[in-house]
Amino acid sequence: ELKVEQNPLFLSMQEGKNYTIYCNYSTTSDRLYWYRQDPGKSLESLFVLLSNGAVKQEGRLMASLDTKARLSTLHITAAVHDLSATYFCAVDPGLFNFGNEKLTFGTGTRLTIIP
Amino acid sequence: DTEVTQTPKHLVMGMTNKKSLKCEQHMGHRAMYWYKQKAKKPPELMFVYSYEKLSINESVPSRFSPECPNSSLLNLHLHALQPEDSALYLCASSQGRIRKNQPQHFGDGTRLSIL
Repeated sequence: ELKVEQNPLFLSMQEGKNYTIYCNYSTTSDRLYWYRQDPGKSLESLFVLLSNGAVKQEGRLMASLDTKARLSTLHITAAVHDLSATYFCAVDPGLFNFGNEKLTFGTGTRLTIIP
Repeated sequence: DTEVTQTPKHLVMGMTNKKSLKCEQHMGHRAMYWYKQKAKKPPELMFVYSYEKLSINESVPSRFSPECPNSSLLNLHLHALQPEDSALYLCASSQGRIRKNQPQHFGDGTRLSIL
């Protein structure tokens, strides 16, 4: 059974600081996603990471993937209040070939940016 | 605004009621998904439809009955639910594994309360 763990579960940080969220998964996978969820809202796609060494950046967020270590990171640079949300990674083990995906979500990291 | 539309946004029902959740997308996606999300937890996959056929059922109790009338619509029929079924129900759609760099798109969800 695929397990996806994130740490930390909770993160409170000051504006302007840098921090990293970690996502570890237990089996091989050919794709990993990062999503953001605001309280009471839906999930917004942030990044799709498809290969070992993949790095993607959007604004103050940068995500990377190390498939050999089964680890993805989401790095936050110079945090601003608008980044406060819960961040999930999600892994598709690629075992299904019926035209669909089977995502297992990480435990989530609740990020609070303090002014 | 999301490209996946779910109705209703909120639903309160008794344990003996029958109701349905609806999901619609017009992005031409051929895979559609139902997830259940409890408060402060990650989404958990319930069902996957691929090309209008049920391809994954994650051992969901029979009081939840999915239906995919056509490629744009996905329903979740509810009957004799239990209080522990209260949760946010999220619908998602995607191009499936053929489009490796495309994430699943989520609707805003239906917040379901069972009395």
